[in-house]
Amino acid sequence: DQQVKQNSPSLSVQEGRISILNCDYTNSMFDYFLWYKKYPAEGPTFLISISSIKDKNEDGRFTVFLNKSAKHLSLHIVPSQPGDSAVYFCAGEGGGADGLTFGKGTHLIIQP
Amino acid sequence: DAGVIQSPRHEVTEMGQEVTLRCKPISGHDYLFWYRQTMMRGLELLIYFNNNVPIDDSGMPEDRFSAKMPNASFSTLKIQPSEPRDSAVYFCASSSRWSSYEQYFGPGTRLTVT
Repeated sequence: DQQVKQNSPSLSVQEGRISILNCDYTNSMFDYFLWYKKYPAEGPTFLISISSIKDKNEDGRFTVFLNKSAKHLSLHIVPSQPGDSAVYFCAGEGGGADGLTFGKGTHLIIQP
Repeated sequence: DAGVIQSPRHEVTEMGQEVTLRCKPISGHDYLFWYRQTMMRGLELLIYFNNNVPIDDSGMPEDRFSAKMPNASFSTLKIQPSEPRDSAVYFCASSSRWSSYEQYFGPGTRLTVT
């Protein structure tokens, strides 16, 4: 049972445009949602989080939106830069557990 | 701070051998997590510790897997005996008590069992 789903394995966006990465979840007990970025041969790095009681959190070029009724969250990156090319993982935390439940990731490719 | 340190970075072993993966969390962090990444299952939590005590090991796949945290600065994940299907990248992560959900990952250990 996949509690966190990222249905797009890859996404290609032109440099300077907006990148939108999507994530759906089934566990309504998650307290926090997080986005991690991963480069090849490195561990995931924390990017941005949002509490389940919020609907938006912004940090520089990165904004995460949460729609609890739809059990959907999205990460917006604007403007997209070449260094943003990486695999992005959506994760949920809570529901009685401290570990993270990850989606399978979306490979974002920023084209010049 | 050096971040989370894992060793070795790469491990190649034969089926049936014992494998030990090591992790040094960020100093002052109270939580330590072990994850495994495979193509089929993605990133999945194996076990986590709070103040050196194992809290949830429900993700450990089989009795062949065991993890210990003898002190606040060191943890091991052991596989005995290893099997080809254990081939994966194993990540260690740590977090503080103030924001346990913001986890900091090590670079991972790529394990290949032949």
